Amino acid sequence: EPEVTQTPSHQVTQMGQEVILRCVPISNHLYFYWYRQILGQKVEFLVSFYNNEISEKSEIFDDQFSVERPDGSNFTLKIRSTKLEDSAMYFCASSFDRVNQPQHFGDGTRLSIL
Amino acid sequence: GIQVEQSPPDLILQEGANSTLRCNFSDSVNNLQWFHQNPWGQLINLFYIPSGTKQNGRLSATTVATERYSLLYISSSQTTDSGVYFCAVDKEYGGSQGNLIFGKGTKLSVKP
Repeated sequence: EPEVTQTPSHQVTQMGQEVILRCVPISNHLYFYWYRQILGQKVEFLVSFYNNEISEKSEIFDDQFSVERPDGSNFTLKIRSTKLEDSAMYFCASSFDRVNQPQHFGDGTRLSIL
Repeated sequence: GIQVEQSPPDLILQEGANSTLRCNFSDSVNNLQWFHQNPWGQLINLFYIPSGTKQNGRLSATTVATERYSLLYISSSQTTDSGVYFCAVDKEYGGSQGNLIFGKGTKLSVKP
């Protein structure tokens, strides 16, 4: 069964540094998402992406965050200047359609900011 | 926005016992998914079930969309069932369609 893959599985970065998290969605999916889970808390929506542009973003997704689909397979989340509170698990997901279709999640990238 | 409430927040079972986890949501939904988060943090998709009943081995789920709740049944629990179970929904109408809203989860511990 096709799956969403995320790299790296764990990223350790100094505060203030830029970090890029990478995702390869399922190949025929059209909608892409990033979610975040701070340790011990629930999963929160960050941003959705369709047709090479952001469809919607949450209040968490401020100017420090950006997303990009640089080629036909990768979907990236960039944090420009990391803060301690950006430490979390970041999940990428994809779906074939925006509604009436399940979202498929990757295994996550655990981001630790020192 | 839509509210998702899961109960109970914590559950401790003896291996072999059965359990029922509940998810209540405050609005009509297009999508409802159940996930199991294992000790390594991975989110395992269990069911896509905006309505009706589905079964997969020892697990089954039922969503009654008109009454805005879903139930996840675990039978003959095993220690490997331990972890956190999340329910996630998206709204049927209005903005933010397609963006999953997660509940706070039920933390399940199965003792040998």
